[in-house]
This record gives sequence, C-alpha cells and structure tokens, in this order.
Amino acid sequence: DAGVIQSPRHEVTEMGQEVTLRCKPISGHNSLFWYRQTMMRGLELLIYFNNNVPIDDSGMPEDRFSAKMPNASFSTLKIQPSEPRDSAVYFCASSLGGQGNEKLFFGSGTQLSVL
Amino acid sequence: AQKITQTQPGMFVQEKEAVTLDCTYDTSDPSYGLFWYKQPSSGEMIFLIYQGSYDQQNATEGRYSLNFQKARKSANLVISASQLGDSAMYFCAMREANTNAGKSTFGDGTTLTVKP
Repeated sequence: DAGVIQSPRHEVTEMGQEVTLRCKPISGHNSLFWYRQTMMRGLELLIYFNNNVPIDDSGMPEDRFSAKMPNASFSTLKIQPSEPRDSAVYFCASSLGGQGNEKLFFGSGTQLSVL
Repeated sequence: AQKITQTQPGMFVQEKEAVTLDCTYDTSDPSYGLFWYKQPSSGEMIFLIYQGSYDQQNATEGRYSLNFQKARKSANLVISASQLGDSAMYFCAMREANTNAGKSTFGDGTTLTVKP
C-alpha cells in the first residue's frame, strides 16, 4: 500500500503566482481532507470530500483557494494568486468511509513557501 | 466554538515516567470518534489510538491508553514508560458521524518533551 501521496514535497514560488498541490488518496478510501498547518494557526481543516463531493469548504480562507476532486483517486488544491501568508505545510488525508470511527491517513505534506 | 481543546501547549516528562495529555471536546452528536495523532519533528502525522463514543472500555494500544470520561467530555492520552522517541507534538481529533458527516477537526496540539 503506497499510502497517501502528495506532490510536490516542497514548492517555492513568488507572490502572485498560481500554485497547485496534488493528492492521491489511498485506493478504496472515499473521504479526503485538505489541512493547512502553521505555527500561528495550528492544523486547520480547509475542505473535505465524501465520495468526490465537497461536503464542507467553510475552512477555505478566501476565493483565492479552490479544491477539486474529479475522481476517487485524485484531488487538487489551487491557490491563485498566491501570497506570502499562504506559506505553510499543506496536508492531504484520506479515510475509509465518512463515519466517526475511521482514522485518517496523512500524506507527507507539501511545504509551500511564497516569497 | 472550539470543538477540541488541548490546554497544554507544552509538557515535560522524565524518561520512563508516565504522562497525561489533556483533551476536551464539544459535540451534540451521539456518534463520534476521538483520535490521537503524533507528529514528530520530521513532520509526518502518525495515528496512535481511537475511542468510539459508544465504547464501554477505555482504548489501549501498547504504551498508549485513552482515559475516556464521556460525561465530562474528556479524552486524555496517557503515555506510560515515556521514551526519548516520544518527544513530539500530539494532536487530539474528533470525527462526528451524523451532524458533520465525518468531518475531522483537530485541537491545537501539545508539545511533549521527554527528558533523559
């Protein structure tokens, strides 16, 4: 089992550029989560999907952020245009089922630096 | 309102001693799960232990146990016989099965340092 795969591992970009983060969940998992982690704000839930459908995107900071899950094996988080305050580690996680008893499997994260 | 509260930003423990990390939660959903994850300095998130809202017994996984007090809405993590490798950030999390369709929210974390 390859686990949750995120790419890229590190991304350095300049303010104003578009950034796309990618996630491949574990095969068979039907819940997918995007989190952002910073020292100041901790681990924030940005958006999550059940069966490829966005369930709650209330954590998405603003219109500059968008997330898609076109199929069960792929999701993207896009920031356009990026700003220095978007610098953070972005985690993708997946789980089997959308119930209360399923643990999350996390990817290794994408370290984003916006200069 | 904060769903998960971890009141200890940092904790210290002597190697081989036990330590308790606090977690309280807030939900009106009768069906939920409580989880603890470990994040070492390398950054990955590692699942440690799970407790279901209907479970009668406290969960245990090796040196980890969860002190579940449902009426008080607390789910404290107990690490016995601490090791140097236990030094990490620890997160408490909750998933609500009904009201939020499995949404998983995390506390702010507790940084544990094990002293030799």
